[in-house]
Amino acid sequence: SAVISQKPSRDICQRGTSLTIQCQVDSQVTMMFWYRQQPGQSLTLIATANQGSEATYESGFVIDKFPISRPNLTFSTLTVSNMSPEDSSIYLCSVERGRKAFFGQGTRLTVV
Amino acid sequence: AQSVTQLDSQVPVFEEAPVELRCNYSSSVSVYLFWYVQYPNQGLQLLLKYLSGSTLVKGINGFEAEFNKSQTSFHLRKPSVHISDTAEYFCAVSRLQGAQKLVFGQGTRLTINP
Repeated sequence: SAVISQKPSRDICQRGTSLTIQCQVDSQVTMMFWYRQQPGQSLTLIATANQGSEATYESGFVIDKFPISRPNLTFSTLTVSNMSPEDSSIYLCSVERGRKAFFGQGTRLTVV
Repeated sequence: AQSVTQLDSQVPVFEEAPVELRCNYSSSVSVYLFWYVQYPNQGLQLLLKYLSGSTLVKGINGFEAEFNKSQTSFHLRKPSVHISDTAEYFCAVSRLQGAQKLVFGQGTRLTINP
């Protein structure tokens, strides 16, 4: 299994500001995934973060809006930049182990 | 590309009744199939997965799912539900090759009534 810690668990932010979400895994993993779950909707993959290389973004997501860092094999950050109310969502970090995905508890972001 | 359709957004069921949550997928390549559960105010938890072999897959909490390749379906079933099964259920797929990027369905909210 994998234990994933995400911080913060929730935050309320002013529009136009940025928030950085941290994801810590209890052991080394090659890839880390960032998902977004908008209110009442399903999860959508934002990007895949590999250590030592640029993150790979899915269609509709760009690095300027969601910059990602992956400084080592157990840690990653996702920044939500220049926030607007439409960014209000739950952001989840995920890792794969044995063809099984594990998720953090998520960060519930509200932009006012 | 892959896509997942969960045919019911909400399913209300009485306690101890059977339930089936429907999931259909579309993909030009072979995929792995998953069901995840999200209890209120909690993270996602894997219920079960189909990778290969027997098409009937048993998971945790008494749930099972059957992979039907010809109908591209992976419906989730439980013969007798409990109040504690109230949650959001997500069907998901991933490609066999490469990173396990999951494509999720829209989710089905299962509500168990006493």
